[in-house]
Amino acid sequence: GENVEQHPSTLSVQEGDSAVIKCTYSDSASNYFPWYKQELGKRPQLIIDIRSNVGEKKDQRIAVTLNKTAKHFSLHITETQPEDSAVYFCAASRGGYQKVTFGIGTKLQVIP
Amino acid sequence: ETGVTQTPRHLVMGMTNKKSLKCEQHLGHNAMYWYKQSAKKPLELMFVYSLEERVENNSVPSRFSPECPNSSHLFLHLHTLQPEDSALYLCASSPSGLEETQYFGPGTRLLVL
Repeated sequence: GENVEQHPSTLSVQEGDSAVIKCTYSDSASNYFPWYKQELGKRPQLIIDIRSNVGEKKDQRIAVTLNKTAKHFSLHITETQPEDSAVYFCAASRGGYQKVTFGIGTKLQVIP
Repeated sequence: ETGVTQTPRHLVMGMTNKKSLKCEQHLGHNAMYWYKQSAKKPLELMFVYSLEERVENNSVPSRFSPECPNSSHLFLHLHTLQPEDSALYLCASSPSGLEETQYFGPGTRLLVL
């Protein structure tokens, strides 16, 4: 089955700096890669996703890149703000009702 | 309340108790999911229901028993749990099998004594 590895497990950055979280996956048939943000005590919420026919996607300060050959994808947050502090999860799926496999999560702390 | 709701939000139970977790989605979605979230572990998918039919069961112990009476409601029946079952149980829904974005509920924090 699919295996998703995520790192780092914790990340501290100064406010205004960039943060990068990386994930690798094992199943070459995976074609959907969402990222979820979970603030303390709250539910995970989708922040951005990318499909295998796209190499990069941006949404304001957040971007995701995908390298299908190397089987890795990354989340980039620019101009970080304290409200970006949360746990971020990457995931991979073949789509449809196929199992969505999550990474272990990265705890991001943005220091004011 | 809109979106995905879960009750109770917190639950403490003994190993011999029987309890049920409830999830309700108000989004008109056709698929619903149960996840287990434990500290320092990835989210673990437990069950998937599509149009009230179970389509995924990830080798979950039989002490967890799901029920999906309709596309808006999902239950997780618990009996004779173990302390290692203590975790946050998250329900999620998605529009259909073609749309994989998961909309999560707030979770039920379960403690098994």
